[in-house]
Amino acid sequence: GAVVSQHPSWVICKSGTSVKIECRSLDFQATTMFWYRQFPKQSLMLMATSNEGSKATYEQGVEKDKFLINHASLTLSTLTVTSAHPEDSSFYICSGWTTSQNYGYTFGSGTRLTVV
Amino acid sequence: DQQVKQNSPSLSVQEGRISILNCDYTNSMFDYFLWYKKYPAEGPTFLISISSIKDKNEDGRFTVFLNKSAKHLSLHIVPSQPGDSAVYFCAASGGNTPLVFGKGTRLSVIA
Repeated sequence: GAVVSQHPSWVICKSGTSVKIECRSLDFQATTMFWYRQFPKQSLMLMATSNEGSKATYEQGVEKDKFLINHASLTLSTLTVTSAHPEDSSFYICSGWTTSQNYGYTFGSGTRLTVV
Repeated sequence: DQQVKQNSPSLSVQEGRISILNCDYTNSMFDYFLWYKKYPAEGPTFLISISSIKDKNEDGRFTVFLNKSAKHLSLHIVPSQPGDSAVYFCAASGGNTPLVFGKGTRLSVIA
């Protein structure tokens, strides 16, 4: 079935540095990639929606200059957390979607980011 | 405003019994509903879905029921197994919009 490979699975970084998270759709072309964040004991919250070749659409309250999303191809989307702060520590998950999947949203395995 | 609600944060069930996880939604535009299972530090795994034109969908031990008038859906797992212990998320969508998730219910199946 459809697979989204996400890496790194976990990362620890210092405050002020940037971290890039990659999501690759391995056997399908993800026309749309959704990026979610999950804080402990809370639901998955949508951060942004990106369509291949166009600018991402960010949800209210999500800083687009801080969370840079690039969806340069149908198989690769990246999320870069710039100038990370401890409050950015969270679990980030991507989800690929394509018209042929018929609601079969495919999730990556997630990235646990810890900013120290 | 939480559009998808899972009011039970946790549920414990004995092995072999039925697990029933509930979910309520408020947005009448939702027409597709999904259940995901999530283990710690992993991404959610798709479990089962149901379209608003149906009121029941069954897949092996998993059955999802949809009551549109009550804006309520439930996931039944029978018989429950220890490997079913995980957090279960209910999610809803209208058209090709992003999924809206509930907060999840942690299911513990006790041997």
